[in-house]
Amino acid sequence: DADVTQTPRNRITKTGKRIMLECSQTKGHDRMYWYRQDPGLGLRLIYYSFDVKDINKGEISDGYSVSRQAQAKFSLSLESAIPNQTALYFCATSMGDQSGLNEQFFGPGTRLTVL
Amino acid sequence: SQKIEQNSEALNIQEGKTATLTCNYTNYSPAYLQWYRQDPGRGPVFLLLIRENEKEKRKERLKVTFDTTLKQSLFHITASQPADSATYLCALDLYNFNKFYFGSGTKLNVKP
Repeated sequence: DADVTQTPRNRITKTGKRIMLECSQTKGHDRMYWYRQDPGLGLRLIYYSFDVKDINKGEISDGYSVSRQAQAKFSLSLESAIPNQTALYFCATSMGDQSGLNEQFFGPGTRLTVL
Repeated sequence: SQKIEQNSEALNIQEGKTATLTCNYTNYSPAYLQWYRQDPGRGPVFLLLIRENEKEKRKERLKVTFDTTLKQSLFHITASQPADSATYLCALDLYNFNKFYFGSGTKLNVKP
């Protein structure tokens, strides 16, 4: 079974709709992240959470909100979707220990299209 | 703001040769730098991490160097194979803050 799962895997929606992307992990990691990936722009950090009570904005948080419902669950919402939010969205987790390793484990991605 | 640059042009090499990918960054001084592999339609997969006080790190056919003076990391794949074809991303962190910045990646094509 996958350690980091994302639902849905694909979504087509219309401008102005509210959309929620969900991420679940079984790795027991405290730290979770949401990224979006656009061609030529790489991965850009939207929000990150170091534990259930700690949520922080990333580079491009405008138009997005998040909820950390539990250690294992981190949801990303688009309150009112717009076409330039069409992208591939990834959730990731990391252990966050003090050794500095902190490799990130990524989910399979959600392809979102806003018409 | 932090800027990370990877060659946007695909790198095409022959099987058996060494592939060398470059990651340059500006501003700040990252505590460590990571390299990831991404296959089409899939999430990135961690490959290697190198810390600021390490010059070189190896793992099987992979080698990473980190020059904090030049603000550059080089990623080498020796004896490359067609299965190494993928996009390779570098990511850096700001002093153990666990806030990652990714480059846009370089696509590697290894031809048999």
